[in-house]
Amino acid sequence: NAGVTQTPKFRILKIGQSMTLQCTQDMNHNYMYWYRQDPGMGLKLIYYSVGAGITDKGEVPNGYNVSRSTTEDFPLRLELAAPSQTSVYFCASSYSGGRDEQFFGPGTRLTVL
Amino acid sequence: QKEVEQNSGPLSVPEGAIASLNCTYSDRVSQSFFWYRQYSGKSPELIMSIYSNGDKEDGRFTAQLNKASQYVSLLIRDSQPSDSATYLCAVNSGGTSYGKLTFGQGTILTVHP
Repeated sequence: NAGVTQTPKFRILKIGQSMTLQCTQDMNHNYMYWYRQDPGMGLKLIYYSVGAGITDKGEVPNGYNVSRSTTEDFPLRLELAAPSQTSVYFCASSYSGGRDEQFFGPGTRLTVL
Repeated sequence: QKEVEQNSGPLSVPEGAIASLNCTYSDRVSQSFFWYRQYSGKSPELIMSIYSNGDKEDGRFTAQLNKASQYVSLLIRDSQPSDSATYLCAVNSGGTSYGKLTFGQGTILTVHP
């Protein structure tokens, strides 16, 4: 089991560029999440999904889009990158919500210049 | 807006001492509570979860929950240098927020030999 994998590990974008952060899990989890973590801060939820074809906004969704066409994959799309999107992005998954542990990927460190 | 606040750090304790980490939350209907450990440059990993009032022990870790006071804490006994990390408190409010975690800002713990 690879768990939750994310690509790329690092990326530098110019203002206005777009990119997709990839996230894949092989644990057959229903729930998947995208968080961002700014320096010295906790994690803030961007988007989440409770199953293929179902997504919903979290606390900080502006400037991002997601899709979930399969159970395994949950890509995060950044359109028109801005310096405020410089952050570390973590993808996570859990079997269900509520009491289930969320397993985190290794993160993507994104810098927008 | 749901809020989770952790005691400001950083917290420094000598090896072998008890480290006490505290967290308060604003949403009275919160149902599930988690403590994650995050080493520098790594992703969060779950160390404790608690759902009912009282204490829950797992090895050197004890989580304490008081729903009336909206307070959750983590005690680390016999602290080791390997416990040096950022500890994140996370709260799941349930209901329409099912599966969505709200994280505190984290407390940096340093255990010195």
